[in-house]
Amino acid sequence: AQSVTQPDIHITVSEGASLELRCNYSYGATPYLFWYVQSPGQGLQLLLKYFSGDTLVQGIKGFEAEFKRSQSSFNLRKPSVHWSDAAEYFCAVGLRDMRFGAGTRLTVKP
Amino acid sequence: DSGVTQTPKHLITATGQRVTLRCSPRSGDLSVYWYQQSLDQGLQFLIQYYNGEERAKGNILERFSAQQFPDLHSELNLSSLELGDSALYFCASSQAAGEVDTQYFGPGTRLTVL
Repeated sequence: AQSVTQPDIHITVSEGASLELRCNYSYGATPYLFWYVQSPGQGLQLLLKYFSGDTLVQGIKGFEAEFKRSQSSFNLRKPSVHWSDAAEYFCAVGLRDMRFGAGTRLTVKP
Repeated sequence: DSGVTQTPKHLITATGQRVTLRCSPRSGDLSVYWYQQSLDQGLQFLIQYYNGEERAKGNILERFSAQQFPDLHSELNLSSLELGDSALYFCASSQAAGEVDTQYFGPGTRLTVL
């Protein structure tokens, strides 16, 4: 069965610290992969996506993600977190329909 | 600003009632998707329309229906509302018909059923 797992429901990091949000998927073939961010009261905004090619993908706001086929993972990273990064982050995968993970809420400590 | 607009922003209604949510996609996008976001179910795909035709169906209840009009705006109709239908309803649009592509999300409509 197709599924997307974000193992961490809530993560707290200090401002300036590095960040890694995990995403694992189960899919029959290699799907297209996305990370979206949702700020409170807002819709979802695309951070980055992977369709093919270089497995390290750069996105907006200083985020990057790495696709690891052997681990069925697409983890999101940022070297130095800013207070404005506090939000909910969703991993999404799919080929013909998009499935979203349950989300990871990021809290940034000053 | 994603370019996707949704109205109304908030909607409060009573159980048993019917409401209509409206979505205008980004200019040039032919696909419209509807999602429901609730605390217990997360973000659930409801339905997709492409250029006026239903393309894919997800976890959409029979009490819910949608359509896409010739000008490409879409409406989601929710009837016989129950307390559990309270949620954020998002519309998204993309250029894709079949395979997934980047979806651009609207700001959502928050539905409260009392």
